[in-house]
Amino acid sequence: NAGVMQNPRHLVRRRGQEARLRCSPMKGHSHVYWYRQLPEEGLKFMVYLQKENIIDESGMPKERFSAEFPKEGPSILRIQQVVRGDSAAYFCASSPQETSGVNTGELFFGEGSRLTVL
Amino acid sequence: GENVEQHPSTLSVQEGDSAVIKCTYSDSASNYFPWYKQELGKGPQLIIDIRSNVGEKKDQRIAVTLNKTAKHFSLHITETQPEDSAVYFCAADTGNQFYFGTGTSLTVIP
Repeated sequence: NAGVMQNPRHLVRRRGQEARLRCSPMKGHSHVYWYRQLPEEGLKFMVYLQKENIIDESGMPKERFSAEFPKEGPSILRIQQVVRGDSAAYFCASSPQETSGVNTGELFFGEGSRLTVL
Repeated sequence: GENVEQHPSTLSVQEGDSAVIKCTYSDSASNYFPWYKQELGKGPQLIIDIRSNVGEKKDQRIAVTLNKTAKHFSLHITETQPEDSAVYFCAADTGNQFYFGTGTSLTVIP
């Protein structure tokens, strides 16, 4: 059973370009979270999604950032018109769904996508 | 919202000694408290967790304690080994979102 898969692992963009980060959750997981981690800092929550729904995007910057988790395919974090301050590691995590639909609480992380903006 | 504080930010111990990392939280609705270990260049990995109906949990050399009244929980690593060197994060889950501490960089000196 493959873990949470993120790609690309490393991405370099010039200022003003777009960055797309993909996350395939573990098989059977329907909850996806995105976190941002700056060097030597903690994990900052960005967005929480379930299939086709954004549940909580309170940690996401209002402009240039968007996320989706379609019915088919991976979750995508999209950053438009990147700036140097967007350089960070972006981690995706997934968790399974109980029959009641309540999050079981166990979070499994991918290896991260490291974005560098030149 | 929830606020999780973690101390210390860095910790160095001699191999074989114990290491203790402490976290506090603010939201009494939080009911699940996982601990993650992050090695350099990798994603965080769950190492142990505890739910609010339990006061202590142990798994070989690692243990976690929870004091719901005081809203704090701690990670204890005994007989530390060099491979325990990593960044450790605590987290609190309110049921809808996970809130992470700022991390503790643990160095085990051989």
